[in-house]
Amino acid sequence: GAVVSQHPSWVICKSGTSVKIECRSLDFQATTMFWYRQFPKQSLMLMATSNEGSKATYEQGVEKDKFLINHASLTLSTLTVTSAHPEDSSFYICSAPTGISYGYTFGSGTRLTVV
Amino acid sequence: GESVGLHLPTLSVQEGDNSIINCAYSNSASDYFIWYKQESGKGPQFIIDIRSNMDKRQGQRVTVLLNKTVKHLSLQIAATQPGDSAVYFCAEKQGAQKLVFGQGTRLTINP
Repeated sequence: GAVVSQHPSWVICKSGTSVKIECRSLDFQATTMFWYRQFPKQSLMLMATSNEGSKATYEQGVEKDKFLINHASLTLSTLTVTSAHPEDSSFYICSAPTGISYGYTFGSGTRLTVV
Repeated sequence: GESVGLHLPTLSVQEGDNSIINCAYSNSASDYFIWYKQESGKGPQFIIDIRSNMDKRQGQRVTVLLNKTVKHLSLQIAATQPGDSAVYFCAEKQGAQKLVFGQGTRLTINP
């Protein structure tokens, strides 16, 4: 089935540094990728939608200059958290429509801890 | 608008009993809904889905009910097992593809 590989699974970084999270579609072409953030004991909040070859669409309240999204190919979308601060510590998950009967596949998530 | 899930409610049931998890969705135009199971530190796992032209769908040990009048979804899990312990989320497809998650519920199975 359609698989999205997400890396890294966890990362610890210092405040002020940037962190890049990658999501690769392994056996299908992901023209769209959704990026979510999940704080402890909360639901998944949609941050942005990336589309291959075009600018990402950000949800209200999400800073596009802080969360840089690149979707340069049909198999790779990246989220870069720039100038990370402790409040950016969260679980980040990507998801792509598989193109099969409304299906979606999710990455395994990235636990970001900013110290 | 988007559904926002904060401060997950919890549901505790005895092993072997049936569980019912409820969810309210936000967009009356949404035409597709999914229930996901999420275990700690992992991404969501698909359980069952339903389209808006249906009001009930059954899977293995699970049933989803859709009430479009009140924008309500429920997930019924029959004969719950310890492995069913997790957080359960409903999600609705808004527009062409955007998937928005609703309130989650933490299900705990007591032995």
